[in-house]
Amino acid sequence: GESVGLHLPTLSVQEGDNSIINCAYSNSASDYFIWYKQESGKGPQFIIDIRSNMDKRQGQRVTVLLNKTVKHLSLQIAATQPGDSAVYFCAEAPFRGGSQGNLIFGKGTKLSVKP
Amino acid sequence: GAVVSQHPSRVICKSGTSVKIECRSLDFQATTMFWYRQFPKQSLMLMATSNEGSKATYEQGVEKDKFLINHASLTLSTLTVTSAHPEDSSFYICSATTRYEQYFGPGTRLTVT
Repeated sequence: GESVGLHLPTLSVQEGDNSIINCAYSNSASDYFIWYKQESGKGPQFIIDIRSNMDKRQGQRVTVLLNKTVKHLSLQIAATQPGDSAVYFCAEAPFRGGSQGNLIFGKGTKLSVKP
Repeated sequence: GAVVSQHPSRVICKSGTSVKIECRSLDFQATTMFWYRQFPKQSLMLMATSNEGSKATYEQGVEKDKFLINHASLTLSTLTVTSAHPEDSSFYICSATTRYEQYFGPGTRLTVT
């Protein structure tokens, strides 16, 4: 039978609604967090990042919230559009850049936007 | 923004042959490049860290003699899958870093028949 690991969590939303994608990270020492969007057959695309000394950061139509107490990260997408349909990954790093500390990716959430 | 390319984008090879995948940073010099593997509906798993002019550092469970990494310059790293088997079929993604940012390539779909 299929492994549980082959099923990505899926979030289905109506076009125009807001989306909230959640992520639990593992390392309380992680200093830097990033959200990536990955469309089918493509590499990850940077969306937004946040340092551990912040709890909220806003971009264009996106907001990232960080709760260090419970090691939780969320990505909010306002007015979700069909083009937002993709798999979203959170990633954590010991510090910004990851060049001396590798990115650890979360499991991913598939966002499906219904027109 | 910074651009990372991979070549080829797709490759099909026969079991037992070797395949080379190139990763290039097109408009910047990368201090470090990373190689990831992604199986269907799963997350990216780091395979190895590559620094120009030095040996790659492999993650636990990744066979360094099977996945050969050469980082010839600050803009080019190559991953060679040697004696490929069907279980090596996967999506291979590289990333290149500046001091502060990590940029991902578009990925290479490897299918071993």
